[in-house]
Order: sequence, then C-alpha cells, then structure tokens
Amino acid sequence: EAEVAQSPRYKITEKSQAVAFWCDPISGHATLYWYRQILGQGPELLVQFQDESVVDDSQLPKDRFSAERLKGVDSTLKIQPAELGDSAMYLCASSLGTGISEQYFGPGTRLTVT
Amino acid sequence: GENVEQHPSTLSVQEGDSAVIKCTYSDSASNYFPWYKQELGKRPQLIIDIRSNVGEKKDQRIAVTLNKTAKHFSLHITETQPEDSAVYFCAQRADSWGKLQFGAGTQVVVTP
Repeated sequence: EAEVAQSPRYKITEKSQAVAFWCDPISGHATLYWYRQILGQGPELLVQFQDESVVDDSQLPKDRFSAERLKGVDSTLKIQPAELGDSAMYLCASSLGTGISEQYFGPGTRLTVT
Repeated sequence: GENVEQHPSTLSVQEGDSAVIKCTYSDSASNYFPWYKQELGKRPQLIIDIRSNVGEKKDQRIAVTLNKTAKHFSLHITETQPEDSAVYFCAQRADSWGKLQFGAGTQVVVTP
C-alpha cells in the first residue's frame, strides 16, 4: 500500500540554525499539506499546495518558514532561523484532490530545537 | 486556534465497555467530519468519516453521529479492546480547498 514518506524522522538543531524537512506524497495525489502538531494538541495546517501552487499559507510564519513544491510532486519545508518554540512534530499529508478527499498522513518529523 | 472543541481530553474505559468522544464546531458551512486515530509514535490514520447529508455511519465497532442543528458530532466505540488505546482526533473541513481543523485530541486508555 502506498504511503506518504517523510525525512528525516527526527531532527535536533540549535536555535538560530536552519532546518529542512522533505515529503514525498502518494503518487498521483495533487494536494499536499504540511501540518505542525505540538505535543498534546491536534495538527494545525501550515501550508497547502494544489499541484505546485500554494492555496493556503495563512498560518505559515513567513518571516522564518518557507515551503515549496516545485514540480508538483515532492515538497520541502524550511525553517530559518529555528526558534525554541518550533519544537514540534511536522506532519505531511496528501490527498487526491481538494474538497472532500481523504488525507493520508506521513510518519512525521520530530523537531527538537535546543 | 481551533474551531473544533473536543471532549473529554482523556478517557479511561474497561475492556468491553463503550467509549464516546464528542466534538462541537462553529462553522455552519462545514460539510465533512473525519476522525483520526494516532497511536504513540505513529501517523494519524483515518478511521471513519461522515458527510453533512448523513446523520449516522457505522463500521463494525465504530460509529459516528452528526447533529447539524446543534453543530456537534460524536465517535462511538463499542466493545472496546486494548488495541483501541490511542489518541483520537476529530476534524472538520474548514473551506472548499479541503483544509481540516482538528480538535485537541482524546487520549483513550482501555484497561483489561
């Protein structure tokens, strides 16, 4: 069964450093989501792509976060510089399309900023 | 912030008993309500979902009910088993692009 892939699974970085996460969605899925999940809370959407275009980045802290999906397939989320409050699980999800379409989650990247 | 309130935050049940988790939402335009199960250290997985034109949906021991008038929906797990222990998240579709807003989660512990 096809799954969403993410790497790395764990990342420890010092504050003020740059960090990047990678996501490979299920083949054929046009919509890709990046969520942040703080311990004890539900996932919160950071950015959503439809193919290579951003359709929602209203919750993305754009002064330090950036995301791209250049060819409409895999995606990279970057934080520069990292802050202590960025420590969280970063989840990627994909779906066939927008609207009512099941979202499949990747295993996540656990980020710890020291 | 979350526009979906989820209760309780923790739920401890005896094996074989039923578990009920409730969520309320505020956006009357919401039309899709999925439930995800997240085991410790694993990815969230969809276990059941319901659309706004349906009042109830069942899948074996799991059922979801929706009350659009009151703007709340609930997850029901019957005959609970230890493998049902996990964090359960409700969500609602927040816009036409498919954005989901999640509740804060319920930690369910099933004791033998």
